Amino acid sequence: DAGVIQSPRHEVTEMGQEVTLRCKPISGHNSLFWYRQTMMRGLELLIYFNNNVPIDDSGMPEDRFSAKMPNASFSTLKIQPSEPRDSAVYFCASSLSNGEAFFGQGTRLTVV
Amino acid sequence: SQQGEEDPQALSIQEGENATMNCSYKTSINNLQWYRQNSGRGLVHLILIRSNEREKHSGRLRVTLDTSKKSSSLLITASRAADTASYFCAPPIFRNSGNTPLVFGKGTRLSVIA
Repeated sequence: DAGVIQSPRHEVTEMGQEVTLRCKPISGHNSLFWYRQTMMRGLELLIYFNNNVPIDDSGMPEDRFSAKMPNASFSTLKIQPSEPRDSAVYFCASSLSNGEAFFGQGTRLTVV
Repeated sequence: SQQGEEDPQALSIQEGENATMNCSYKTSINNLQWYRQNSGRGLVHLILIRSNEREKHSGRLRVTLDTSKKSSSLLITASRAADTASYFCAPPIFRNSGNTPLVFGKGTRLSVIA
């Protein structure tokens, strides 16, 4: 298995633009997590899905952020409109229930 | 929140020395996981220790768990420059539904000097 695949690896966008981050979890994993990492706040859990269903999105910073998981092999995290303070590295991870989480390489987002 | 809190925040040692990192958490768990992150990369799972285990080994890694004190430690023996990374502990959050997302603290930044 290729592991968790995220795209793009790097994204530079202008303030106000829509940004879509993509994630392909490991086949067979039933849980998917989106995290954001910054120097100031560390690694924050944004939202997680279990069997494609969003379970807890209390970590999503505001309504500009949304996430979907239309099927077991794909998830998106969308920011609309983006702001400079959204600049961070966004990680996707997947796991089996109560098992170890496997992380993607992350998307480094820069909003100018 | 249930996130693990690592101590120290930063640790600098010479190659060949042992490195010990500690983790404290707040509520009951059935397992605790340790992860490593190299600069600019995603987290990599190192080891999982269950609540009925007191100690677990994996290569040069030794993890202990004291559920009465709600604490864990990660020991890296005979450290190498390649061990330079940030290390995180992750106690799962329990939900009634049984889902257990991992919540991470700030980690310990380990620097091994050759």
